[in-house]
Amino acid sequence: DAGVIQSPRHEVTEMGQEVTLRCKPISGHNSLFWYRQTMMRGLELLIYFNNNVPIDDSGMPEDRFSAKMPNASFSTLKIQPSEPRDSAVYFCASSQGDEQYFGPGTRLTVT
Amino acid sequence: AQSVTQLGSHVSVSEGALVLLRCNYSSSVPPYLFWYVQYPNQGLQLLLKYTSAATLVKGINGFEAEFKKSETSFHLTKPSAHMSDAAEYFCASSGAGSYQLTFGKGTKLSVIP
Repeated sequence: DAGVIQSPRHEVTEMGQEVTLRCKPISGHNSLFWYRQTMMRGLELLIYFNNNVPIDDSGMPEDRFSAKMPNASFSTLKIQPSEPRDSAVYFCASSQGDEQYFGPGTRLTVT
Repeated sequence: AQSVTQLGSHVSVSEGALVLLRCNYSSSVPPYLFWYVQYPNQGLQLLLKYTSAATLVKGINGFEAEFKKSETSFHLTKPSAHMSDAAEYFCASSGAGSYQLTFGKGTKLSVIP
């Protein structure tokens, strides 16, 4: 299995631009998570999907952030408009049970 | 609400020495507990997990952890550090059957040759 796949691995954008991060979970996993990692705040859960349905989005910072999971093999996290304080590493993770498997992350830099 | 505390944001050990990374949890009921490792520019990889079976849990790369309810601890150990163990280690907890992982702040392990 290829594991959780995320793209792009690095993204540099200017403030105000739209950013879309992509994730392909492990086949057969029914849960998908988006996390954000920063030095100041550590790892934060942004949103959790189960069977493609958003269950908990209480961690989404504000309306500029949105996430979708149109099918079991694909999810996106969109930031529009982006701000410098959104600079972080964004991880996608998937699970089937109590173990979460993390992707390599997308390092986002907003200038 | 659950919380996880990792004592020491940075730990340095000599190659071949014992590795001890500390984790304490707070939970009203015995949680599930996990240790993850993150190598530079990579995602988190599960080292081991405790899910209310044996209190001494063995993981990958020679690591193990012991669940001690009386001390609300789940410290990670390895008898002999290797250079390749240099990474950041995260302790996490969840309620039994819950999807929500609560992470500690992480401990960065340096191994000195």
